[in-house]
Amino acid sequence: QVQLQESGPGLVKPSQTLSLTCTVSGGSISSGNYYWSWIRQHPGKGLECIGYINNSGSTYYNPSLKSRTTISVDTSKSQFSLKLSSVTAADTAVYYCARVRSTWFDPWGQGTLVTVSS
Amino acid sequence: DIQMTQSPSSLSASLGDRVTITCGASQTISSSLNWYQQRPGKAPKVLIYAASTLQGGVPSRFSGSGSGTDFTLTISSLQPEDFATYYCQQSYITPWTFGQGTTVEIK
Repeated sequence: QVQLQESGPGLVKPSQTLSLTCTVSGGSISSGNYYWSWIRQHPGKGLECIGYINNSGSTYYNPSLKSRTTISVDTSKSQFSLKLSSVTAADTAVYYCARVRSTWFDPWGQGTLVTVSS
Repeated sequence: DIQMTQSPSSLSASLGDRVTITCGASQTISSSLNWYQQRPGKAPKVLIYAASTLQGGVPSRFSGSGSGTDFTLTISSLQPEDFATYYCQQSYITPWTFGQGTTVEIK
C-alpha cells in the first residue's frame, strides 16, 4: 500500500524559506489520477490545507498562503515538495503530506515538526 | 472560506458508551463531508467520506450522517482505541477546511 514520508529541516529562521519533501513509496506517484497535498497543524490546533499538485504539475494553493507557497513534483524520484517563503513564528507547525483521494486525504505521512525561530 | 464548527470541543465517556459528535457548516456543502480520527502523536486517518461512507478497514461501530449544513459522527460502543481527536472536513468548495476538532477522553 502507498506510504508517504516527509523530510526536511526541523528548524527554520524567520524570513527564510521552509522546504520539505514527501517521498511516496509502495506505489508510483504517477499512477492513478491523484493529487498530492500538504497540510499543516499548528501546535495544539486544527488542520489547514496548504495546497496540492498532480503528476502533471497542476497545482492548487490555499489563497491564504498562495503568495508564499510553491508545490512541485518530481515523478522520477516519486517525490513532491513544499516551499513556503518568508516564514514567521506563525508558520511553526507539524507539516503533513497526504494523497488526495477524490475529495479526502488518504493516506497521510507521519508528519514533521517545523519550528521557526532564530 | 466555509467555516466548520464541531461540538462539543471535548467530551468524557466510558467504554461501551454511545458517542455523538456534530459538525456544522457555515453554508450548505451537500454531502461533501469527511471525518478523521487523530490519535496522540499520530497523523489523522480518514474514517468516513462523503458524509456516510465508511472507509475500508474502519470498524462498523463508526457511522456518519447528515447533509446540507449539519452532520453527525456516531461511535456506537466506545472502545479503548477510540480515545482520540476527531475532525470533520468539507470538500465542497476550495479551500477545503476542517473543524477545530473534538477530543474524546476517558471518563
